[in-house]
Amino acid sequence: QVQLQQWGAGLLKPSETLSLTCAVYGVSFSGYSWSWIRQPPGKGLEWIGEVNHSGSTNYNVSLKSRVTISVDTSKNQFSLKLSSVTAADTALYYCARSRSGSYLFAHWGQGTLVTVSS
Amino acid sequence: EIVLTQSPGTLSLSPGERATLSCRASQSVSSSYLAWYQQKPGQAPRLLIYGSSSRATGIPDRFSGSGSGTDFTLTISRLEPEDFAVFYCQHYGTSPPTFGGGTKVEI
Repeated sequence: QVQLQQWGAGLLKPSETLSLTCAVYGVSFSGYSWSWIRQPPGKGLEWIGEVNHSGSTNYNVSLKSRVTISVDTSKNQFSLKLSSVTAADTALYYCARSRSGSYLFAHWGQGTLVTVSS
Repeated sequence: EIVLTQSPGTLSLSPGERATLSCRASQSVSSSYLAWYQQKPGQAPRLLIYGSSSRATGIPDRFSGSGSGTDFTLTISRLEPEDFAVFYCQHYGTSPPTFGGGTKVEI
């Protein structure tokens, strides 16, 4: 059974770097893409970017200058870093899995609320 | 990027009634790479429909999807109490994938 379990700091100050990690259980990294998606409070979903098992990445252009997604296949984990955060980055952040070449998300993490406040 | 517009924003219905949700794309969605998700408070989205009309594993047959090109519909034939939630459409064929703004189905 595929499980994604995520964690990271939930309260940041403006200009700090958001850092989240997602651990994957029950499935190999190969053949899939691993994404981060966020949801501001009371709003819709925004895809942030993805990484595959070899470390190749693809980012949403709206966040590209501030985002780094990386993978550690030895630990079956992938991570998100978002630099220079502002209040606009306050959101529920999800990790999710899709098949390589697709963006259909059948498996999601539980979500991590990240609040940016001075 | 493809912009998805969902309507209505809120749908007020009773258990047993039929729900019809609309999703319109700003350009044609290739090969019907259109999905629907259900999200309940405090939960991650759950995949309901992919390929415009195929139900995901374990999804009851009261949920059905239809449409092609730029116009898509999610229908819930008879609402059960557990169906009240927010529903999102998503295109997933190209990067970046985008989601609609959501339709809340409330009692």
